[in-house]
Amino acid sequence: GAGVSQSPRYKVAKRGQDVALRCDPISGHVSLFWYQQALGQGPEFLTYFQNEAQLDKSGLPSDRFFAERPEGSVSTLKIQRTQQEDSAVYLCASSPGTALHEQYFGPGTRLTVT
Amino acid sequence: KQEVTQIPAALSVPEGENLVLNCSFTDSAIYNLQWFRQDPGKGLTSLLLIQSSQREQTSGRLNASLDKSSGRSTLYIAASQPGDSATYLCAVRIITQGGSEKLVFGKGTKLTVNP
Repeated sequence: GAGVSQSPRYKVAKRGQDVALRCDPISGHVSLFWYQQALGQGPEFLTYFQNEAQLDKSGLPSDRFFAERPEGSVSTLKIQRTQQEDSAVYLCASSPGTALHEQYFGPGTRLTVT
Repeated sequence: KQEVTQIPAALSVPEGENLVLNCSFTDSAIYNLQWFRQDPGKGLTSLLLIQSSQREQTSGRLNASLDKSSGRSTLYIAASQPGDSATYLCAVRIITQGGSEKLVFGKGTKLTVNP
């Protein structure tokens, strides 16, 4: 079946612009995660959804970052007034439900802020 | 705070060698541990998942072990091939006090297998 998909794959934004990154999880997966991966680093947790409920947003770097999953499937990560330090790969992952299951990752969106 | 360390940061070996990648974590209260592979410019491909109650998992030429009490995991790759060249990431699954869950990643080991 289809895996996790993300769009766009690449995004170039001028500093100060708003961007929206989309994640389509595997159908039926309850849990959805966003991670941020800076160059040469491991991914870092941003936020976690269980169905439509955002249970944890402790990893969001600032109030310019906002994520939603209104119908419990597709999720959008929005970054307002982008800054150069926001340049990174944004990875989305989904999981069937409990923490016993592995997380399946999408290809990521590479954001470059100029 | 959970921290994950991977050693070495980079490794270059000739084709055919057996090799071991190391991962350590500071807090043994983990749910499971997952090894991933990441090719340049790509997302993460899950290789092996070890539950906290398990000691090891095997898939083809890969074998991962887990010693939760000492906070260590190893990924063993047998008879390495050039196609194994990638960055290997180790991640532990934790449950937070608030009932959330997340993966905490190491920085990865960049493996190059030379023909």
